[in-house]
Amino acid sequence: ETGVTQSPTHLIKTRGQQVTLRCSSQSGHNTVSWYQQALGQGPQFIFQYYREEENGRGNFPPRFSGLQFPNYSSELNVNALELDDSALYLCASSSGTGGIYEQYFGPGTRLTVT
Amino acid sequence: RKEVEQDPGPFNVPEGATVAFNCTYSNSASQSFFWYRQDCRKEPKLLMSVYSSGNEDGRFTAQLNRASQYISLLIRDSKLSDSATYLCVVISVTGGFKTIFGAGTRLFVKA
Repeated sequence: ETGVTQSPTHLIKTRGQQVTLRCSSQSGHNTVSWYQQALGQGPQFIFQYYREEENGRGNFPPRFSGLQFPNYSSELNVNALELDDSALYLCASSSGTGGIYEQYFGPGTRLTVT
Repeated sequence: RKEVEQDPGPFNVPEGATVAFNCTYSNSASQSFFWYRQDCRKEPKLLMSVYSSGNEDGRFTAQLNRASQYISLLIRDSKLSDSATYLCVVISVTGGFKTIFGAGTRLFVKA
């Protein structure tokens, strides 16, 4: 069974730029959630995709957007990067059916905005 | 008030000690509850689901009290390898799926 993978591992961007982060879900999982984790804090829910549709969203501005593909992999796009966007971005997958919400996380992408 | 609040920690305990983590949540419509552990600079890993009937997995026991909107995690016979940050997680689906993590409680187990 293949676990959740994310790319890239690390990324450095300049304020105002755009970034795309990628996630491949665990085999058999059709639901992907994205989180932002700042140092010393718990992960903050950005949004969830289920069968290619956004299924829920946290308190993040519209410049945070996403996609899910037919193979259930997903992208997180962030436009007009700000210094405060520097964080660890985590992707988690789950089966999303029958009320099963156990989520399994990828290793994350560490984004630094300068 | 935060939607999910945990003991601020850190907890420093000797090997063999019993340690309890507490977490409260504000949304009474919350549906699913979990404990995750996170090692330094790693991703969170699922530790346990939490049910009203309580559940136990070896040295770990989790409990949910819906009336008080409170969940707990008990670790018995602490090991050095239990040193990590423990995160409680609350999920609601009313009005759209939403996951809320607590800020985490850091545990240091010392020899």
